[in-house]
Amino acid sequence: AQRVTQPEKLLSVFKGAPVELKCNYSYSGSPELFWYVQYSRQRLQLLLRHISRESIKGFTADLNKGETSFHLKKPFAQEEDSAMYYCALIILTGGGNKLTFGTGTQLKVEL
Amino acid sequence: ETGVTQSPTHLIKTRGQQVTLRCSSQSGHNTVSWYQQALGQGPQFIFQYYREEENGRGNFPPRFSGLQFPNYSSELNVNALELDDSALYLCASSSTSGGRETQYFGPGTRLLVL
Repeated sequence: AQRVTQPEKLLSVFKGAPVELKCNYSYSGSPELFWYVQYSRQRLQLLLRHISRESIKGFTADLNKGETSFHLKKPFAQEEDSAMYYCALIILTGGGNKLTFGTGTQLKVEL
Repeated sequence: ETGVTQSPTHLIKTRGQQVTLRCSSQSGHNTVSWYQQALGQGPQFIFQYYREEENGRGNFPPRFSGLQFPNYSSELNVNALELDDSALYLCASSSTSGGRETQYFGPGTRLLVL
């Protein structure tokens, strides 16, 4: 069965420091991976998806199939990046496209 | 374009009761998925509806059931509530574009079972 692992429940960095939120997955096929973010008192929202290969709010994530990882990175953390981050994979099947989420990492950017 | 909305925002029930949660899809979306998020956990997939038919189900018992209406809004029904059903229930609507699906989430309904 597919699984997403986020090993850190809490990551605390100083403003301006680099950020790396780790995500590993297990799935026998070719998954599609996402990062979702939830800011305080806001709904869960899509941050980026690996297919798009884009940078959103300075964040990037590269799919490494050899290491089955999809780590989220940002070179210089900003205070407004403090939020809960969830890594997720979607499996496209004939029986519904379900998102499988990790347990999330709380990012705290300190001044 | 309006986003996904859910009602109610909060709900308190007692064990054994039944509850109905509601979700309005984002304009133009024909697929709705429901997730349960327990405290400290990521969302867990309950089921998905596409054009009023159940289109996939996660590892939840039959007392979790749903409906999707012609306007693509949806309901989640939970019978015989148990204490462990206390959680945030999220609805996500989606459409497929270019073979790719993106799910957009509502704010959630927080259910407390006493």
